[in-house]
This record gives sequence, C-alpha cells and structure tokens, in this order.
Amino acid sequence: DSGVTQTPKHLITATGQRVTLRCSPRSGDLSVYWYQQSLDQGLQFLIQYYNGEERAKGNILERFSAQQFPDLHSELNLSSLELGDSALYFCASSPSSLNTEAFFGQGTRLTVV
Amino acid sequence: AQTVTQSQPEMSVQEAETVTLSCTYDTSESNYYLFWYKQPPSRQMILVIRQEAYKQQNATENRFSVNFQKAAKSFSLKISDSQLGDTAMYFCAFMKQPQGGSEKLVFGKGTKLTVNP
Repeated sequence: DSGVTQTPKHLITATGQRVTLRCSPRSGDLSVYWYQQSLDQGLQFLIQYYNGEERAKGNILERFSAQQFPDLHSELNLSSLELGDSALYFCASSPSSLNTEAFFGQGTRLTVV
Repeated sequence: AQTVTQSQPEMSVQEAETVTLSCTYDTSESNYYLFWYKQPPSRQMILVIRQEAYKQQNATENRFSVNFQKAAKSFSLKISDSQLGDTAMYFCAFMKQPQGGSEKLVFGKGTKLTVNP
C-alpha cells in the first residue's frame, strides 16, 4: 500500500458527461501528480499541484481541469467526455516539488460508453 | 523533447533465472534521473529502482540492478533469481533534473514480463 488513495476505483459513464476523480495523497506529501494511462498513448503526465498551486502542466486537454484543496487532496475533473478518454487515471504524491520520491495510487479506471 | 523506448513488448523467463529488460532514451540534458517502475495486475505503479545520471555506479536494489550506459543512452534492468511475483508490466521512465520546481516523468510503452514456474 503506497498510502495514496484514489476514488472511485472504477467509473462507467456516457459520452458528454462530466466526472470527478479524487486523490488523497500520503500524509505529509505536498505534491500531487495526475497521469493518464491508455493503450495507445501509454502513460502521460497531465498536471501537478504543489501545496495548492499548479506547478507543472503536461498533455492535459482543455476539457480537463484539476485542483488541490487546503487539506491537500486533489480532484481531476473531466468534462464533455469522449470515448477516447477511457483510460486508467493515476494520482501520485511526493513530499516536495521534486518528483523523484513519487508514490502512485491504484488508479481510477474510467470507461466512457 | 525526451523520449523513452522499450523495444521488447513482451518477455518471459523461468522462475529462478535471470532476465534483462532493455530501455533506451533520447535527451540533450546532461543531468537527469532514470527509473524502472513495476505495474503488477493489481495496477499499482511501484518504483523498482532509480538512477541519477551523474552517478557512474549502477544502482542495485536486492535482486534488481541496472546497467546504465550514459554515452549510449541505455538503461537496462536485470532481474536475478526471478520470482512468480515479478510477473508485471515494467516501465522505464526519464525525468530531467528539477530546477526550482518539478519535472514530469516520461514513460516508455512498457515490457510485459511473465515469470513461468
């Protein structure tokens, strides 16, 4: 158990809908990262928050947004969902803004039908 | 942009034997980190081993070791005395040296390793 908790574990929704994925980082970790894992694109970095502020941005679509709350948990919001958004979404956390100590959650499997 | 290539989509090995997974990367950076992550069927991403590019000594973690060839931009993972629990997807990843912030991990496509009894 990495100490990073993601909910829900599985999510099935229809095209055009909006969903929210939640991540609770390890106790004391200030940084949260979101990654998307799909069969065709592999593992891709989406976005990073550090102590409530956006720190780095990767291949995140405009339909997607994220935030980190004062208690350091993070949410990834996906809207106007398309079939191609079906993927495994990982959250990772680390104690600082440096990524070398990141620990991953078990992921949320999103299926868009 | 950095790229990471894992040329072996699938590999298999007999229990107790040794297997080597290949990884090459492309970068113009001189300072960076390299990682191997394991993803078992449970989907959990588990850090196996980490190598700092400025260190000439190859990293080792119990049965896992790397062969880091900086000039060749090669970073292979050797698993000794393979165990059934080593069955998983293995991802090679690259990260630039963070400067005042954080850098993203760039992953390869992965190698599916099966350990046979």
